Amino acid sequence: GQNIDQPTEMTATEGAIVQINCTYQTSGFNGLFWYQQHAGEAPTFLSYNVLDGLEEKGRFSSFLSRSKGYSYLLLKELQMKDSASYLCAVRDRWQAGTALIFGKGTTLSVSS
Amino acid sequence: GAVVSQHPSWVICKSGTSVKIECRSLDFQATTMFWYRQFPKQSLMLMATSNEGSKATYEQGVEKDKFLINHASLTLSTLTVTSAHPEDSSFYICSARDQDRLNTEAFFGQGTRLTVV
Repeated sequence: GQNIDQPTEMTATEGAIVQINCTYQTSGFNGLFWYQQHAGEAPTFLSYNVLDGLEEKGRFSSFLSRSKGYSYLLLKELQMKDSASYLCAVRDRWQAGTALIFGKGTTLSVSS
Repeated sequence: GAVVSQHPSWVICKSGTSVKIECRSLDFQATTMFWYRQFPKQSLMLMATSNEGSKATYEQGVEKDKFLINHASLTLSTLTVTSAHPEDSSFYICSARDQDRLNTEAFFGQGTRLTVV
């Protein structure tokens, strides 16, 4: 079956670095996505990995290892506004009609 | 960037009535749109895949006669919650992917907070 695991909660302080891990077991693989979601709002796209390695985008980076079924999202220079839920999602097929499979999300709390 | 607009952003309705939620892709065409439901402190659960010009594909456990989906054009999908009950109260979110750029992220609507009283 399809399974995506990520920690439920994490805490960190302003200015620090935090790494949110995600492991997945899916029938196929055609990309891993990270989204940020603030309470009561829709998810916003952060990053996309389809090949192994690190993708860097400003303060956020995402890493993928397809052989290990593993990804992480790295957030640097944390700010209070980074307090949100971070969702790991996998697309298991190429076709247009393929929905994303989401993990339960990791709630990150950033304190001063 | 690509934008998906969802309307209304929140709605309160009486038990037994129906509510329609619209999802529009504003600057791209989408033959497929997706409807998710999210309960408090839970992740997004796929309800159904909306296909332009054909029937929607529902996930296991989702009642197709209760959650009616219509995808009449390449830019609009609607979800109608029929005979709503308090347990249908949830956050409903649609998403779509640009059909000409399949290897990109899905864009989400703003979500609709439904409260059934």
